[in-house]
Amino acid sequence: DTEVTQTPKHLVMGMTNKKSLKCEQHMGHRAMYWYKQKAKKPPELMFVYSYEKLSINESVPSRFSPECPNSSLLNLHLHALQPEDSALYLCASSHIERAGELFFGEGSRLTVL
Amino acid sequence: KNEVEQSPQNLTAQEGEFITINCSYSVGISALHWLQQHPGGGIVSLFMLSSGKKKHGRLIATINIQEKHSSLHITASHPRDSAVYICAGDNTDKLIFGTGTRLQVFP
Repeated sequence: DTEVTQTPKHLVMGMTNKKSLKCEQHMGHRAMYWYKQKAKKPPELMFVYSYEKLSINESVPSRFSPECPNSSLLNLHLHALQPEDSALYLCASSHIERAGELFFGEGSRLTVL
Repeated sequence: KNEVEQSPQNLTAQEGEFITINCSYSVGISALHWLQQHPGGGIVSLFMLSSGKKKHGRLIATINIQEKHSSLHITASHPRDSAVYICAGDNTDKLIFGTGTRLQVFP
């Protein structure tokens, strides 16, 4: 199994809603990443988890809250988002942090109304 | 200034043509990733290189450490190769992404 699975594929939410994006991998990877990608731009790193601990937070606003409940799962909790947060959110994993091939999910396309 | 520069930004080709996408990077990049992103959004890792050359099917990636330059070649291009190709440099802190090359291959 070389897949990174993200759910939901599409999400529409209002600015007062609370929602979560989920990411799952069963490759035994110990590093997991959240990226944000706006249209026609490269992905921007948001968070890195290494061995289930937050390793990097790229100064992301607190309305985005990551969580890594176990080595296979990575969540991104969303609360009080702004319309400019609408983007494709990509999850990725690698064997260990900053080493080796990255495996990406298909992304969750978020629209904030 | 981005530490990873890609060219060209856009590329069109006829089916069967040989395609080259170039990537230049700055000091401190220890490895280079080539990624493919289709319109649906998902990203596929094609290659990770720190030296030499790698081949997978019709795709070939090369890297010249001294010149800090990498190329991605596609032989016998096909319309299904149409996608955005992104090079990303690993600077031991995080991946630095190039701006991508949008490739369209026409039948």
